[in-house]
Amino acid sequence: AAGVIQSPRHLIKEKRETATLKCYPIPRHDTVYWYQQGPGQDPQFLISFYEKMQSDKGSIPDRFSAQQFSDYHSELNMSSLELGDSALYFCASSLGVGTSGRSSYEQYFGPGTRLTVT
Amino acid sequence: AQSVTQLDSHVSVSEGTPVLLRCNYSSSYSPSLFWYVQHPNKGLQLLLKYTSAATLVKGINGFEAEFKKSETSFHLTKPSAHMSDAAEYFCVVSDNSGGGADGLTFGKGTHLIIQP
Repeated sequence: AAGVIQSPRHLIKEKRETATLKCYPIPRHDTVYWYQQGPGQDPQFLISFYEKMQSDKGSIPDRFSAQQFSDYHSELNMSSLELGDSALYFCASSLGVGTSGRSSYEQYFGPGTRLTVT
Repeated sequence: AQSVTQLDSHVSVSEGTPVLLRCNYSSSYSPSLFWYVQHPNKGLQLLLKYTSAATLVKGINGFEAEFKKSETSFHLTKPSAHMSDAAEYFCVVSDNSGGGADGLTFGKGTHLIIQP
């Protein structure tokens, strides 16, 4: 079965540079989520999109922005990179909220993009 | 607000013996609860989920978890550990308060070690 695709898988940037991470959800999934996992840490929720609109917002820095496109893929844009941004960035997708308005659908995670800032 | 507490940062068991990974949650709403597993340098794989249906939930690879509202617990168990079970396990909650596409809140993780 098709899974969530993330690109690139590895990325090395220098401080103050910008980076763009891409996420392609499972076919028919209309909701995407972004998470950041620092070394030895648990994943932290950054932001989510449902039907191309921002849905929920977590601990996303102001230097980061994201959007979801008409084909449901999403991009996470990171500017003025800092050493502390080095982490594994996961994208997840789900079928969205359904008719109940509750996000009871499970989130399926991609393999992650490992960002190293030097 | 929602939170998850995984009571053990490391659990070590012998191969073939039972596994118990403990998790307590806090949520202002009726939560959805999940267990995810992460093998070294790998992504996150869903083991099982609870979403207000049966309180005993069966997942993949022989794992199961029981939702106990009175104890606010969602412990993960497996009758017989296998070497391939060695990994990091995350207890996760979504309190479904936002009306949709809520981000998940992860516990700090439990590192499961399997002794031969």
